[in-house]
Amino acid sequence: DAGVIQSPRHEVTEMGQEVTLRCKPISGHDYLFWYRQTMMRGLELLIYFNNNVPIDDSGMPEDRFSAKMPNASFSTLKIQPSEPRDSAVYFCASSAYEKLFFGSGTQLSVL
Amino acid sequence: GESVGLHLPTLSVQEGDNSIINCAYSNSASDYFIWYKQESGKGPQFIIDIRSNMDKRQGQRVTVLLNKTVKHLSLQIAATQPGDSAVYFCAETPTSGTYKYIFGTGTRLKVLA
Repeated sequence: DAGVIQSPRHEVTEMGQEVTLRCKPISGHDYLFWYRQTMMRGLELLIYFNNNVPIDDSGMPEDRFSAKMPNASFSTLKIQPSEPRDSAVYFCASSAYEKLFFGSGTQLSVL
Repeated sequence: GESVGLHLPTLSVQEGDNSIINCAYSNSASDYFIWYKQESGKGPQFIIDIRSNMDKRQGQRVTVLLNKTVKHLSLQIAATQPGDSAVYFCAETPTSGTYKYIFGTGTRLKVLA
């Protein structure tokens, strides 16, 4: 299995632009998580899905952030409009039973 | 100016020695705990887990100890190797089945040759 696949690996954009991060979970995993990692706040859970349905989005910072999971093999995290304080590493993780398997992350820089 | 961020505690260990990384968790109701290893530029990688009905669990070169009385978790790495250099996170789930993991701030392990 290729593991959790995230794209892009790096994204540099200008303030105000829309950013879309993508994730392909491990096949057969029914949970998908989006985390954000910063030096200031560490690893924060943004949202997680079970069987493509959002279960808890209380960690999503504000309305500029949205996440979708149209099918079992794909999820997106969108930021519109992006701001410099959104700069962070965004991780996607999937799980079949409790253990989380993380992707390599997307390093987002908003200038 | 320089931004203020989390100050990661650092543990420096001589190659071949044993390492002990500690973690204090927040919720006495948490019933599942995981240790993750994160190498530079990579996502966290699962190392070992333990449930609240256990106080010790062993893996290959790693042991996790759980002390529920003082809400403390530790990770012991035997015969530490250069490849063990990374940031180590503990994570807890406050309520069984919610999958809402809470990660600690992490400890940086440096292995000295």
